Amino acid sequence: NAGVTQTPKFRILKIGQSMTLQCAQDMNHNYMYWYRQDPGMGLKLIYYSVGAGITDKGEVPNGYNVSRSTTEDFPLRLELAAPSQTSVYFCASSHDQGPNEQFFGPGTRLTVL
Amino acid sequence: KNQVEQSPQSLIILEGKNCTLQCNYTVSPFSNLRWYKQDTGRGPVSLTIMTFSENTKSNGRYTATLDADTKQSSLHITASQLSDSASYICVVRVLVAGRRALTFGSGTRLQVQP
Repeated sequence: NAGVTQTPKFRILKIGQSMTLQCAQDMNHNYMYWYRQDPGMGLKLIYYSVGAGITDKGEVPNGYNVSRSTTEDFPLRLELAAPSQTSVYFCASSHDQGPNEQFFGPGTRLTVL
Repeated sequence: KNQVEQSPQSLIILEGKNCTLQCNYTVSPFSNLRWYKQDTGRGPVSLTIMTFSENTKSNGRYTATLDADTKQSSLHITASQLSDSASYICVVRVLVAGRRALTFGSGTRLQVQP
């Protein structure tokens, strides 16, 4: 199993540009999550999904959108990139919302100039 | 003020030495607490999970403790190795408005030197 994969690994955007961060998992997990990690800070939840067709906002959703058309994929969309969105983005998945472990992808480092 | 505070922020130790990382939390009601290891440029990987009734749990050279009364947890690393160099993140799961939510600490960055 590849686990949780993310693309791209790195990206530089100009202010106002848009992009989609891709996330896929092959563990047949129902739950998927997007986090951002700013320097010296804990991970913050952006959006999460409990299954295909169902998404919900996390702690810091402004400026982002998500979709979950399949169990495997959970893309994160930035419509109008801003410097405040410079961060490392992690996608994660888990079997359910219980004590089950979240499995994280390798991250995407995004810089907005 | 962070609801999950970790200390120290960073730590340098020599290979073979032991160290203890601390995690204090104020969030409630507590569901469980998990320690993650995050290597540079990688996503976090779970080391151990502590539930309310557990005081100590070991995973190889890693031993986690939990005092739910004082809301403190520690991660003890024995006989450190160069590969232990990473950030260690404490994550507390709570119930918020009937839903489980995770609160992440900002991590302790450990550097093991030869």
